[in-house]
Order: sequence, then structure tokens, then C-alpha cells
Amino acid sequence: DAGVIQSPRHEVTEMGQEVTLRCKPISGHNSLFWYRQTMMRGLELLIYFNNNVPIDDSGMPEDRFSAKMPNASFSTLKIQPSEPRDSAVYFCASSWGVSYNEQFFGPGTRLTVL
Amino acid sequence: DQQVKQNSPSLSVQEGRISILNCDYTNSMFDYFLWYKKYPAEGPTFLISISSIKDKNEDGRFTVFLNKSAKHLSLHIVPSQPGDSAVYFCAASRVIQGAQKLVFGQGTRLTINP
Repeated sequence: DAGVIQSPRHEVTEMGQEVTLRCKPISGHNSLFWYRQTMMRGLELLIYFNNNVPIDDSGMPEDRFSAKMPNASFSTLKIQPSEPRDSAVYFCASSWGVSYNEQFFGPGTRLTVL
Repeated sequence: DQQVKQNSPSLSVQEGRISILNCDYTNSMFDYFLWYKKYPAEGPTFLISISSIKDKNEDGRFTVFLNKSAKHLSLHIVPSQPGDSAVYFCAASRVIQGAQKLVFGQGTRLTINP
């Protein structure tokens, strides 16, 4: 099994540009999570989906952030326009079933906004 | 509002000794607690968990203790090995609409010295 796949692994962009991060969850998993890691706040949950439906997006910092899951095998996190304070590592994770099942994390996308 | 806190950003321990990582939480609605381990340039990986109805869970060299009255949990690693050097994240969980919502602490960087 390939695990959770994220692309790109690194992204450097200029302030004001649109950024799109991509995630392919583990096949068969029905929950998908987007997290952001910063030095100050650690790992923060941004949004999560269950069966492709957004359940809780209360962690999304601003309207500049949006996430979609058009099907069970693909999700995107978009930032438009990007700002330097968005620089962080963004992780996608997936899990199966309900209740207390382990979340499997991807390797992350390191985003730098200049 | 940091619901899960790891007050020690770093910890250094001699190989073979016990490593103790601590975590505090504020929300009594959490019903499961987890520890994740993270190596550089990789996503976090699940290490061990404990239900809120228990006070101890052991898995090999790793033991997690939960003190609900103090809203405190700890991870013990005995004996510590160089491969244990990583960042450890404490997380607290609630199931909301069929998916496990995790709230993470800021992480503690553990260094095991030979």
C-alpha cells in the first residue's frame, strides 16, 4: 500500500499567488483530514471530510482557504491569495470507519510564501 | 485557546534511561487520547492510545498513563533508544459525526543521547 500521497512536497510561491495542495488518501478510507503544522501552534486541524462530505471546517483560518473532496480518492486544499503567514507544513491524513481508528498521515507539503 | 498542551518543547535523555513526556488537556469531553511520533520530513505516525475509561495502557517499551482528575497524561519510554529521538505529539479525541476529531499539542522534541 502506498500510504497517503501528497503533492507537491515543497512549494515556494509569492504573496498573492494561488496555491493548491493535493492529497490522495489510502484506498478504502472514508475520512480525510487536513492539518497545518507551525512552530507556534503545533498541529492544527483545518477541515475534515467523512464520505467526501465536509463535516467540520471550523479550523480553516480565513475565507482565503478552501478545501474540496470531489471523490473518495482525491482532495485539494486551496489558498487564494496566499500570504507569508500561511508558510507552514500542511499534512493530509486518512482513516477508515467510525470511532477510534488510527489516522494515517501523508509526508506533508512544505509551503513557503515569500 | 489551546485545549491540549505540551509544556516542554524539548527533552534530552540518556540511552537506556526512562523518557517521560507530559501532556495536559482542558476539555473533559475528550474520550480518547493518543501519542504520535514524528521524524523529520515525514508525517506523524501513531504510537499508542488510551481510552478515557482506563488509567494505563502498555505496549512493549511504551506506556501511557492517564489521570482524569488532573486532566494529565504521560508517555513513558523504557528503556530509551537512539531511534526514539523524534518529536512526540499528544492528541485528544472526540468522535463527531462519524469521524475522529483530533486536537494536538505543540509537540516535544525528544533526543536520546548515546
